[in-house]
Amino acid sequence: QVQLQESGPGLVKPSGTLSLTCAVSGGSISSSYWWSWVRQSPGKGLEWIGEMHHGGSTNYNPSLKSRVTISVDKSKNQFSLKMTSVTAADTAIYYCARVHFWHRGWLDPWGQGTLLTVSS
Amino acid sequence: SYELTQPPSVSVSPGQTARITCSGDTLPRKFSYWYQQKSGQAPVLVIYEDSKRPSGIPERFSGSSSGTMATLTISGAQVDDETDYYCYSTDSNDNWVFGGGTKLTVL
Repeated sequence: QVQLQESGPGLVKPSGTLSLTCAVSGGSISSSYWWSWVRQSPGKGLEWIGEMHHGGSTNYNPSLKSRVTISVDKSKNQFSLKMTSVTAADTAIYYCARVHFWHRGWLDPWGQGTLLTVSS
Repeated sequence: SYELTQPPSVSVSPGQTARITCSGDTLPRKFSYWYQQKSGQAPVLVIYEDSKRPSGIPERFSGSSSGTMATLTISGAQVDDETDYYCYSTDSNDNWVFGGGTKLTVL
C-alpha cells in the first residue's frame, strides 16, 4: 500500500525559497502515475499547486507557475516542490498526493500534510 | 483565472437531503470530482467523474452534473457528514481547480 510523507523546514523567511519533499513508500515513483501538490491556507480552502510525472512532464497552477518547480528524485523515490519569492500568503499546510492512473481528478493517497509558515 | 463557485454553507436536519452545488463554465465538458475534508485531515474523494462513487463511500453520497452546475447530494444526511466539501475540476487548459468549499451543517 502506497504511503506518502511530506517533509520541510516548517519556517521560511519572506522572499526566501520554500522547499518540500514527498517521500513515497510501498511503491515506485517511476510507475505510470502523476504526482501532485495541494495546499491549504489556515482556515481556507484547497488550492492545486501542480503535478508531475516521473518522465519529466509537469503542469502548474497558472497563478503560481512563475514561482513553482516540481521535480523528481528517482534515487530517493521522492518528489519535491520548490517555490521562490514566498510571502505570508504562502503560509499553508502543503499536501502531496498520487493521481489515479485512470481518473485524473482522483487524488489518493494523500500525505498527512506539513505546515509551512512564512515569517521573519 | 478560472473559478468553481460553491455556496459557503449548507444546513440540513439529520435525515434530510443535503445538496451542495458547484458552478463553472467548463463543467459541461469537464468531469467534476468531490472531496470531503474533516478537520485536521487530508481530503477524501467521495464522488468522481460527476456521479461515480469510490468503494467504501456510503450509498447516501451521489453526484450529478447538468450544464454549468455539478451537484453533490447526501441523502439522509447524518451528523457525521457535517464537515467541509470541495468540488474539483479543470479549466479549458486542463489546469486543476478546487471550488471554494462548502461547510455542511447537520443539526
